Amino acid sequence: EVQLLESGGDLVQPGGSLRLSCAASGFTFSNYAMGWVRQAPGMGLEWFSGITDSGGDTYYAESVKGRFTISRDNSKDTLYLQMNSLRAEDTAVYYCTKGNEAARPYYFDYWGQGTLVTVSS
Amino acid sequence: EIVLTQSPGTLSLSPGERATLSCRASQSVTGSYLAWYQQKPGQAPRLLIYDASIRATGIPDRFSGSGSGTDFTLTINRLEPEDFAVYYCQPYGSSRTFGQGTKVEIK
Repeated sequence: EVQLLESGGDLVQPGGSLRLSCAASGFTFSNYAMGWVRQAPGMGLEWFSGITDSGGDTYYAESVKGRFTISRDNSKDTLYLQMNSLRAEDTAVYYCTKGNEAARPYYFDYWGQGTLVTVSS
Repeated sequence: EIVLTQSPGTLSLSPGERATLSCRASQSVTGSYLAWYQQKPGQAPRLLIYDASIRATGIPDRFSGSGSGTDFTLTINRLEPEDFAVYYCQPYGSSRTFGQGTKVEIK
């Protein structure tokens, strides 16, 4: 059974940093692209970052480019998201997602349950 | 960047009725690389449809997707109580921006 377990969500002050992790199990992690999608309170879904199976290619939405870094450790079956210079508008539930392929084009066939990041003073 | 516009914003229907949800793209979606997701309150989204018309594993056949180019449709035949949720479309070629969602609510 595929499982994606996010962790690291917390309350952080504006300008602060946070690192999210996503522990994957139930599939060969190194064979698939992964990504992050977030959802602000009461709002819709926003894709903002993706990474290919090897980690060789990464993608970002303009809203986070230069502030967030996606990475993965295939030896630990874990996906990461380093978030710097956090803003109030980054407040959201952050979902880890699994791609159905190693690289584009891929859809998200599995989602984690999400971890809440709150940016507030 | 492809912009997806979903309509209507809210659909009020009764169990047993048919729901027709639209997803219109600002430019052609390459290869019909379009997915539909369902999200219930307090839950993570779930994949329903990929490649515009292929049901994901375990999705009941009352869900169907159609369309190509810039116009796509998700149809839910004979709504069940568990189908009342928010539905999102998303391209997955060069662009990944979700539509704003359609809420299917009980009338």
